Amino acid sequence: AQRVTQPEKLLSVFKGAPVELKCNYSYSGSPELFWYVQYSRQRLQLLLRHISRESIKGFTADLNKGETSFHLKKPFAQEEDSAMYYCALRGDSGGSNYKLTFGKGTLLTVNP
Amino acid sequence: DSGVTQTPKHLITATGQRVTLRCSPRSGDLSVYWYQQSLDQGLQFLIQYYNGEERAKGNILERFSAQQFPDLHSELNLSSLELGDSALYFCASSPTGGPGNTIYFGEGSWLTVV
Repeated sequence: AQRVTQPEKLLSVFKGAPVELKCNYSYSGSPELFWYVQYSRQRLQLLLRHISRESIKGFTADLNKGETSFHLKKPFAQEEDSAMYYCALRGDSGGSNYKLTFGKGTLLTVNP
Repeated sequence: DSGVTQTPKHLITATGQRVTLRCSPRSGDLSVYWYQQSLDQGLQFLIQYYNGEERAKGNILERFSAQQFPDLHSELNLSSLELGDSALYFCASSPTGGPGNTIYFGEGSWLTVV
């Protein structure tokens, strides 16, 4: 079974402070991990995927298979980063494992 | 703009009624997914289609059904609606639905059941 856990429902930081949104997963195979961002209940936008190892809007995430984590980080938070962030996992063994399983999300608020 | 189009954007209906949500995937994408987003349950996977065939089924109620047509658009039918069905319903698409594909989401259809 696939499971994604985002332990923080809410995270509040000040502008310019570092931010880390935690994501842990449970999956027996080789998963693909993603971060999606949702502004004001609009559509989900892909922020990062671990296989591309790119940095979008200053965010980075590293897949740690030992700790089964895929934490999202940004060194200096901006007010426009305020949004809901979802960690998602896709399995590798076909069928229903190819769906995206989402965590419950973390609402990030960046205060001025 | 993700290229995934959903209609209607907003819908208000009464309990017991039936509604149909429509989704047009990105050009060239063969796989379509439906998700339900509610405040208490978060994002729940409902069902996935690939080139007209059902590929995976999630937490979809028996009152709900979906299909993907030959032109690849998809419809989600919700019947005998209850207050608890009020949610944001997302459609998403990807090229093949397999590994390595990015999944792109539409704007969603807001359903309010009164």
